[in-house]
Amino acid sequence: TQLLEQSPQFLSIQEGENLTVYCNSSSVFSSLQWYRQEPGEGPVLLVTVVTGGEVKKLKRLTFQFGDARKDSSLHITAAQPGDTGLYLCSNMNRDDKIIFGKGTRLHILP
Amino acid sequence: GAVVSQHPSWVICKSGTSVKIECRSLDFQATTMFWYRQFPKQSLMLMATSNEGSKATYEQGVEKDKFLINHASLTLSTLTVTSAHPEDSSFYICSVRGRGYYEQYFGPGTRLTVT
Repeated sequence: TQLLEQSPQFLSIQEGENLTVYCNSSSVFSSLQWYRQEPGEGPVLLVTVVTGGEVKKLKRLTFQFGDARKDSSLHITAAQPGDTGLYLCSNMNRDDKIIFGKGTRLHILP
Repeated sequence: GAVVSQHPSWVICKSGTSVKIECRSLDFQATTMFWYRQFPKQSLMLMATSNEGSKATYEQGVEKDKFLINHASLTLSTLTVTSAHPEDSSFYICSVRGRGYYEQYFGPGTRLTVT
């Protein structure tokens, strides 16, 4: 059974700082999605990465897919309070079922 | 991406009653819909997967007779929590996915409180 491990589980930093969160698996990803969920809301898709070594940017967010397609990272530059939320990575496993990591809960202090 | 709505956004019901939650895909042919529940400060737990016109596939530990799922069309799925108990109180979220797509798009969630 493929498991997605996200780290860190919790992160609290000051506004303006940079941070990186990670998503790792023992198996190769066919593709990987990153979502952000704010309290009381459904998750919102941020990005899909498919190709090993791929880098995608979304304003201050940089997503990287490992060359071996077994890990991914999300880097936020100059974090803002609006970045606060639960960041989830997900992947479709061999049974065509989408699985989620436990998420990284990010809190940006103003 | 797809626009997904859920109704109601929150509901309070008494123990023993049933509650129906609707999930609508407003602009997307959702061949597959998923239902999740999420407890406070935890990740999403998949409850069931439904394909349009077929019976839902439930995850291990999820009672199919308690959580009735109907996916009658490409734009509507419903989750009915029957004989609700306080431990069913949770945040229920649906998502949709089209055929051949990796991504899924989530509704805003329904907060159920059973008293």
